Amino acid sequence: DAGVTQSPTHLIKTRGQQVTLRCSPKSGHDTVSWYQQALGQGPQFIFQYYEEEERQRGNFPDRFSGHQFPNYSSELNVNALLLGDSALYLCASSLSGTGHIRAQYFGPGTRLTVL
Amino acid sequence: ILNVEQSPQSLHVQEGDSTNFTCSFPSSNFYALHWYRWETAKSPEALFVMTLNGDEKKKGRISATLNTKEGYSYLYIKGSQPEDSATYLCAFINQAGTALIFGKGTTLSVSS
Repeated sequence: DAGVTQSPTHLIKTRGQQVTLRCSPKSGHDTVSWYQQALGQGPQFIFQYYEEEERQRGNFPDRFSGHQFPNYSSELNVNALLLGDSALYLCASSLSGTGHIRAQYFGPGTRLTVL
Repeated sequence: ILNVEQSPQSLHVQEGDSTNFTCSFPSSNFYALHWYRWETAKSPEALFVMTLNGDEKKKGRISATLNTKEGYSYLYIKGSQPEDSATYLCAFINQAGTALIFGKGTTLSVSS
């Protein structure tokens, strides 16, 4: 049973560029959440996708956008990259209808460095 | 602004020692509290999800308690082993149903 996978593992971009990160949820899961973990901080919620729609959003600018595909996989897009976007981006999957009383399953993350 | 505080930030113990750390969260409108273990170069792994005041959960040598009235949860590790070395994260959600709010974590190092 494949867990949550993310690609790429590492990424280096320059300011102003755009980046796309990808996530495949755990088998059987239909909800995907994205988190940003900056150095020395806990993971911060970016947004959550369910049924191909953004269901919840954290306090992130519109430069951060996402998409969910019919197979439940998801992409996180960041436009006009800033140095402050350098972080570990985590994807987590879960089952719909469980609110937050079920644990989330995390991927290993994508390390984004913006130069 | 909802804040989740974890203490200590880090600690170092000897193999066989028992240890505990704290997660503090807003006590009003509590909904659920999650604990995750995050080993270096791996994915965060769920330990417990707790929802009721007075909840106690156990997984092997690790256990957790929850006090929603005063807004804290303790994580205990009995007889620490080197493989327990990891960052332990807690995350809180209130009844507004917004996203999980994570603390910065407690990093545990166990030496043999």
